[in-house]
Amino acid sequence: AAGVIQSPRHLIKEKRETATLKCYPIPRHDTVYWYQQGPGQDPQFLISFYEKMQSDKGSIPDRFSAQQFSDYHSELNMSSLELGDSALYFCASSRTATGANVLTFGAGSRLTVL
Amino acid sequence: GEDVEQSLFLSVREGDSSVINCTYTDSSSTYLYWYKQEPGAGLQLLTYIFSNMDMKQDQRLTVLLNKKDKHLSLRIADTQTGDSAIYFCAESPSGYALNFGKGTSLLVTP
Repeated sequence: AAGVIQSPRHLIKEKRETATLKCYPIPRHDTVYWYQQGPGQDPQFLISFYEKMQSDKGSIPDRFSAQQFSDYHSELNMSSLELGDSALYFCASSRTATGANVLTFGAGSRLTVL
Repeated sequence: GEDVEQSLFLSVREGDSSVINCTYTDSSSTYLYWYKQEPGAGLQLLTYIFSNMDMKQDQRLTVLLNKKDKHLSLRIADTQTGDSAIYFCAESPSGYALNFGKGTSLLVTP
């Protein structure tokens, strides 16, 4: 079965640079989520999109932005990178239905800021 | 997440049962979830429970929910070395995005 695809898997950037992460949700899933997981931390919700519109916003810094495109893939753009942005970034997708909202996570993109 | 609390570490012997506990605060969460994360990997859904249920069993996994105390537990029977991972409980206060606990690191020793 198709899973959530994230790219790149690893990314190394310098401080003050910009990074873009991509996410391809499971086909027919209508909601995409972005999470940030720092070393030894729990995943923190950043932002979500339902049918290409922003649906919920968590602790996403102003330096970050995200969007979902017509083909349902999503991108997380991070500018003016700081050392503290080094983390695993997960994308998840789900299909709205009655019952549990099951999020399926990608393998993550590991960002290292030097 | 700051509203979901879990003990940080648990060590058990292979073949024993493991019980991982979680306390959540948002009583509006319709479902509560358990995810597993292996080193360097993504989060894998293990199971979830509807908030009107008090128990759910799925093979070696048993979830107990005490809604009054907002306490959730995950019991893993016959724990194997392959069960060593970090286990996150999660609530869904808005019904969509999940709010995770800090995770319990389970170590299974031979």
